[in-house]
Amino acid sequence: QVQLQESGPGLVKPSQTLSLTCTVSGGSISSGSYYWSWIRQPAGKGLEWIGRIYTSGSTNYNPSLKSRVTISVDTSKNQFSLKLSSVTAADTAVYYCASSYGELFGYWGQGTLVTVSS
Amino acid sequence: EIVLTQSPATLSLSPGERATLSCRASQSVSSYLAWYQQKPGQAPRLLIYDASNRATGIPARFSGSGSGTDFTLTISSLEPEDFAVYYCQQRSNWPLMYTFGQGTKLEIK
Repeated sequence: QVQLQESGPGLVKPSQTLSLTCTVSGGSISSGSYYWSWIRQPAGKGLEWIGRIYTSGSTNYNPSLKSRVTISVDTSKNQFSLKLSSVTAADTAVYYCASSYGELFGYWGQGTLVTVSS
Repeated sequence: EIVLTQSPATLSLSPGERATLSCRASQSVSSYLAWYQQKPGQAPRLLIYDASNRATGIPARFSGSGSGTDFTLTISSLEPEDFAVYYCQQRSNWPLMYTFGQGTKLEIK
């Protein structure tokens, strides 16, 4: 069974770049028709899709975040990554990586809390 | 952008009762709607896809219905472990976006 695990700094200063990596195990990130997404959830609030990448490198981003987001993939390491620039306190959230097939998210990481604070 | 509106925001029921959760889309999503369950401190778990298909390992007491703009998640007889937050979700193709409803909290009465 596919498992995903997020990693990265839990604290980022305002105006800096948030960087997270998702490591995929139990299967190849290059196999099948899966897309690999980042989703976030501020404390006590709902879920917001950030963007996705296919193993070819093709990406799609949430229009509301597009100017600040970069998602990349490293197939040799079975990982994909998120960079979110110019962060503010509003970017404080639990960040999840997830795999999507069609319109649904079948596998999720456990989530990692990122706090934006000086 | 398609907006998903869930109701009610909070639903208070007792174990053994039937739960009916609603999700309304601002425009038709055909049958491409999914439901997730999220417990505190956990990632969401896929329950239902394509409006009415249970995901692997999901108990039969969970069922989904609807198409177009109106969808329902029904839990036929609540178990203690079912009290959680439930989200509906869809994908639109122009622009390419995944959106979630704001969630329904199912709490013990």
